[in-house]
Order: sequence, then C-alpha cells, then structure tokens
Amino acid sequence: DTEVTQTPKHLVMGMTNKKSLKCEQHMGHRAMYWYKQKAKKPPELMFVYSYEKLSINESVPSRFSPECPNSSLLNLHLHALQPEDSALYLCASSQGSAGGNIQYFGAGTRLSVL
Amino acid sequence: EDQVTQSPEALRLQEGESSSLNCSYTVSGLRGLFWYRQDPGKGPEFLFTLYSAGEEKEKERLKATLTKKESFLHITAPKPEDSATYLCAVQATLSSGTYKYIFGTGTRLKVLA
Repeated sequence: DTEVTQTPKHLVMGMTNKKSLKCEQHMGHRAMYWYKQKAKKPPELMFVYSYEKLSINESVPSRFSPECPNSSLLNLHLHALQPEDSALYLCASSQGSAGGNIQYFGAGTRLSVL
Repeated sequence: EDQVTQSPEALRLQEGESSSLNCSYTVSGLRGLFWYRQDPGKGPEFLFTLYSAGEEKEKERLKATLTKKESFLHITAPKPEDSATYLCAVQATLSSGTYKYIFGTGTRLKVLA
C-alpha cells in the first residue's frame, strides 16, 4: 500500500481566512513533503520534514506554516493568502530523506483564494 | 547548476504508434532518476526509479532506460488511457547534505483512438 491521503480535496478561501490542509500516511515513512503545483508546471518543493523535524524550507512566505504533529501526519496552515497562491497543493512521503528514496504523492488539495 | 529538461513538451500519437519521451539531466552525484505519470488535477503516480547507467525497468507498455546524461521512457503500442503528463525527476544533493527532487517540466502525451 502506497497511499497518501490528503484532505480536503477542494478548498475555497478568502484572503482573510485561516484554513489548514491535512496529509496522512500509514506506510511508516519518516520523510514528508509539501509541494505547490500551478497549471502545466511541475511540482515546486515547499517544505521537507524528516523524522518530524523541518529540514528544508524553500524560502516559502510565512503565510504558509507547516506542522508535523507525528510521523504519520503533516499539516499546512494557511493564513492571509493571496490569489496567486491558488494552486494544487501536493503532499508526498518517502521512507527517508536520503538519496534514492521514492516519494509517493497524494491526490492533492485544489486551493482557490478569492 | 542541477537541471532537468524533458522533450518534447507535448506529443500526440495514434493508438498503437510507439514513441519515446526524453529526460536529459545535469546533476552532480545522481542518487536516482524517477518517472511519474500525472493525470489532470491528480497527484503524480510513481512509475519507475533508475539508479545507474545501463539500468532498464519495464511495466506493461512502458520501458524506462538510463544513460549517464539522459533517460528515455519508451511507450510501445500506446492506448488512449496512456494519455497523461509524464514527469521526470532527479534527486540532487544540496549543500546542506540533504536531498531534493528536481522535476522536469513534463511531456503532455495524448493518444488518439
């Protein structure tokens, strides 16, 4: 089983709202990732957690706040977003963050910021 | 600078018309090359990983190969359900010693019945 579950599937929010995206995996993976993907573009890495600690932040604006409560869960808290933040947000996980590890992706959350 | 380039950007094939997608890369210390399939509005689905030049992997109508500078995804006798965007990613080592995927821009494949 290589399932990564993301909720919600779709989210519409205003620029003053606070919302959260959730990601869950039960494969025993110790690395988890958030990506942002715009239409017809490849996924762009936002954050990497390794063993529940933030290991990579790709200079993401502070209106995006990641959280890893335990090894199976990953959240992305959203606050005061801009319309240009509308995109498909993807979560992925891998056994570890070392070289050669395969990342498995969830189906994504389609976010629209009005 | 680590870089991944995919070609062609888009490809239209007739059902049964075999072809190849290209992924060329420049990366210091390749730790893996990964092929994914992505359907519209969905997350990438893992297809293959290749670790060293000369390696080949096969699954149904797809075959992936790797050289020191590029990888090919060969599609034999494609069907309409093979229509998707095919993404290539290489794993690069950052100065911090951690690793990240570098994705190519993808090839959008359309197979016509």
